[in-house]
Amino acid sequence: AQSVSQHNHHVILSEAASLELGCNYSYGGTVNLFWYVQYPGQHLQLLLKYFSGDPLVKGIKGFEAEFIKSKFSFNLRKPSVQWSDTAEYFCAVSPQTGANNLFFGTGTRLTVIP
Amino acid sequence: EAGVAQSPRYKIIEKRQSVAFWCNPISGHATLYWYQQILGQGPKLLIQFQNNGVVDDSQLPKDRFSAERLKGVDSTLKIQPAKLEDSAVYLCASSSRLAGPYEQYFGPGTRLTVT
Repeated sequence: AQSVSQHNHHVILSEAASLELGCNYSYGGTVNLFWYVQYPGQHLQLLLKYFSGDPLVKGIKGFEAEFIKSKFSFNLRKPSVQWSDTAEYFCAVSPQTGANNLFFGTGTRLTVIP
Repeated sequence: EAGVAQSPRYKIIEKRQSVAFWCNPISGHATLYWYQQILGQGPKLLIQFQNNGVVDDSQLPKDRFSAERLKGVDSTLKIQPAKLEDSAVYLCASSSRLAGPYEQYFGPGTRLTVT
């Protein structure tokens, strides 16, 4: 069965610090990979996605993620966080075969201190 | 473009009562999903529709949960009877395609509290 692990439950950073959120998945086949973000009081929205090609993908608001197939990882990075990045971040995977079902990690809450 | 609409936003019921949630997906989106998000966890898929047909309901507790999408647009999710462990946020999402890396667009969710 598919599973997604997010190692950090709560991360607290000061503005301008660099961010890296870990995500590992378990699945025997090829997957599509996603990071979703939920800002306080808002809907879940897509930050970035990977399905093929360059393993380094760029998303909105300066975020990027790198797919490392050998490590089954898809870590999220941002060189310099802002207070407005305070949110909950979810990693998700969907198998490339079959329906577009998303399997989510438990999420990482990011708090950025001004 | 209007987003995914859900109602109600909040609902408090007693255990053993019934409750229904409504979802209106983005216009033209054939695929609709219902997720359950328990506090401290990520969303978990309950059921997936393609038009008015069920694609995957393997995670739906069918003894108490039911869902329908009769005309291939709006959908309702019902719980009858509710249990304490059903307290969660119920998210509806829609997508333009059934398969592939297509983005799922999420609604604001319905927060259910069962007392």
